[in-house]
Amino acid sequence: DTAVSQTPKYLVTQMGNDKSIKCEQNLGHDTMYWYKQDSKKFLKIMFSYNNKELIINETVPNRFSPKSPDKAHLNLHINSLELGDSAVYFCASSQGEGGYNSPLHFGNGTRLTVT
Amino acid sequence: DQQVKQNSPSLSVQEGRISILNCDYTNSMFDYFLWYKKYPAEGPTFLISISSIKDKNEDGRFTVFLNKSAKHLSLHIVPSQPGDSAVYFCAASANFGNEKLTFGTGTRLTIIP
Repeated sequence: DTAVSQTPKYLVTQMGNDKSIKCEQNLGHDTMYWYKQDSKKFLKIMFSYNNKELIINETVPNRFSPKSPDKAHLNLHINSLELGDSAVYFCASSQGEGGYNSPLHFGNGTRLTVT
Repeated sequence: DQQVKQNSPSLSVQEGRISILNCDYTNSMFDYFLWYKKYPAEGPTFLISISSIKDKNEDGRFTVFLNKSAKHLSLHIVPSQPGDSAVYFCAASANFGNEKLTFGTGTRLTIIP
């Protein structure tokens, strides 16, 4: 009965490939996020969507394209993968914009390794 | 520019004792602070939060203290239990959480039985 689920859990691929990570939440939240945790353990926001609308877009290469078909799903597509894209990617959701008394709920992460 | 800093990458504490995890921030616009706990191969889970209008918030064994003048917050866990062994992330945001969260790099807490 997972609240925020993302697939796949592990993704190993070669440079130059295109890959997608899927995320679904069954909490009824209207905001979803993608976070990236790099090798230095920094957890940084990449994107957030509220009711399918993009509200945060951090300085992320445009090889990364989020897509939200409905408010329960937020997928991340990455084109032309580079070695530096290797990281753990976390999906998260919250009610509203994650403000007071509405913390983020995270998925278990997708470990992407680019070789 | 690291606006939220957790200067201790790791901490070991005896079971039953108090664990104190520290976090410093530089952005004076931050007014909402949270602690998340993360087990290996899982996502972070929310633990406790505090807004800048308070200096203390307690939830069971967990208490967060906020010192705005020092731009410092701490998480106290007492008594510490083996299940508390995890990585703890401090996070902060402005506008009472309605702006993006900025996370620290985490402190790995190990509780020694």
